[in-house]
Amino acid sequence: EIVLTQSPDFQSVTPKEKVTITCRASQSTGSNLHWYQQKPDQSPKLLIKYASQSFSGVPSRFSGSGSGTDFTLTINGLEAEDAATYYCRQSSSLPYTFGQGTKLEIK
Amino acid sequence: QVQLQQSGPGLVKPSETLSLTCAISGDSVSSNSAAWNWIRQSPSRGLEWLGRTYYTSKWHTDFAVSVKSRISINPDTSKNQFSLQLNSVTPEDTAVYYCAREKEYNWFDRWGQGTLVTVSS
Repeated sequence: EIVLTQSPDFQSVTPKEKVTITCRASQSTGSNLHWYQQKPDQSPKLLIKYASQSFSGVPSRFSGSGSGTDFTLTINGLEAEDAATYYCRQSSSLPYTFGQGTKLEIK
Repeated sequence: QVQLQQSGPGLVKPSETLSLTCAISGDSVSSNSAAWNWIRQSPSRGLEWLGRTYYTSKWHTDFAVSVKSRISINPDTSKNQFSLQLNSVTPEDTAVYYCAREKEYNWFDRWGQGTLVTVSS
């Protein structure tokens, strides 16, 4: 099973700040790594697929990069509505696995 | 617009069977370009993939090892939905359960609304 480790676990940030969340895989996933946003009491929502492709309707301030074992989700110009927990997830091999999540708090 | 609507009981007794259904609108459970998944979320386990079903000339299923002996996921083409059954539940199975569409056998682009299932007597 591929283990995904995110950092940090928690970050308190101010609006307009640039935020970087990393996801490290225990073995290569190629580009089969996706990012999700989950707000309290909501289902996760897809932000980025295939490591760097923005999903339809996602604001352009969200971007992803990386391949192999190291991936990054970047939010350029954080907005108050971005307060949420962010997860990476791999689809390279079964069982599908998720990172433990990164919770963003807006100051 | 694809929508997934979950239904099923929110309380299950220990040793009994958890049953949930996910009704699909805007797509087909028999689609050749999608798989239909169940995922659960709890404070102790985080997001945990449980399994999926999909159709490519015949029906396929894949399951997480942690639940493989207790789980079944079945499509219902007449109602365009799929279901989850988890047998012999314990309090450790208490979680929010989600269904999700896996597009191109890769990314989860549509999710159900989630169902909190509590295992308690």
